[in-house]
Amino acid sequence: GAGVSQSPSNKVTEKGKDVELRCDPISGHTALYWYRQSLGQGLEFLIYFQGNSAPDKSGLPSDRFSAERTGGSVSTLTIQRTQQEDSAVYLCASSLNSETNTEAFFGQGTRLTVV
Amino acid sequence: AQKVTQAQTEISVVEKEDVTLDCVYETRDTTYYLFWYKQPPSGELVFLIRRNSFDEQNEISGRYSWNFQKSTSSFNFTITASQVVDSAVYFCALSGYTGNQFYFGTGTSLTVIP
Repeated sequence: GAGVSQSPSNKVTEKGKDVELRCDPISGHTALYWYRQSLGQGLEFLIYFQGNSAPDKSGLPSDRFSAERTGGSVSTLTIQRTQQEDSAVYLCASSLNSETNTEAFFGQGTRLTVV
Repeated sequence: AQKVTQAQTEISVVEKEDVTLDCVYETRDTTYYLFWYKQPPSGELVFLIRRNSFDEQNEISGRYSWNFQKSTSSFNFTITASQVVDSAVYFCALSGYTGNQFYFGTGTSLTVIP
């Protein structure tokens, strides 16, 4: 597709379970970002990938959160032992080249609900 | 430190009124980039504009216009003759020289009343 694709669109999970969220960026985009948006709140930075460089993990809220990007394309955000406070919309974005600060294009998000 | 402040949490206007959304930023970088995004009720963030710190020219795109003033560290967004379809949350964002993340404001929720 032409845009950033995220799956699933919605995920309901029980507290304590692990979840995986997937992001398929726009083809050719070297930079990929994960953000979290809680209900009625702004966007909280989680992690950033640029090409083959080491990711910037400075926004990950705890060691229960991890992310990887395989082959410089698809990314997976994993949350282990989910807690109710993890409930939020997880947004993925990609940009052509973060080194030239091009704009980021966002996916539709994954709405995670931890019950 | 990088920071974006959108002091207006919610704004309501009647259709056809003009409305200005304020954005104030903080950065120590001499090269930086500013953005506006629209988040309609459907939830997906839509890119509206990108402006670099060396270009202070105002920009107009249809009913949208942007006023960038480095002297006041502001990048305000004006919608002329607002329409119901403009109802959304609008986010201002900043990207510093290293470009490793976008710093978002908390957003302004705009409601256009028919």
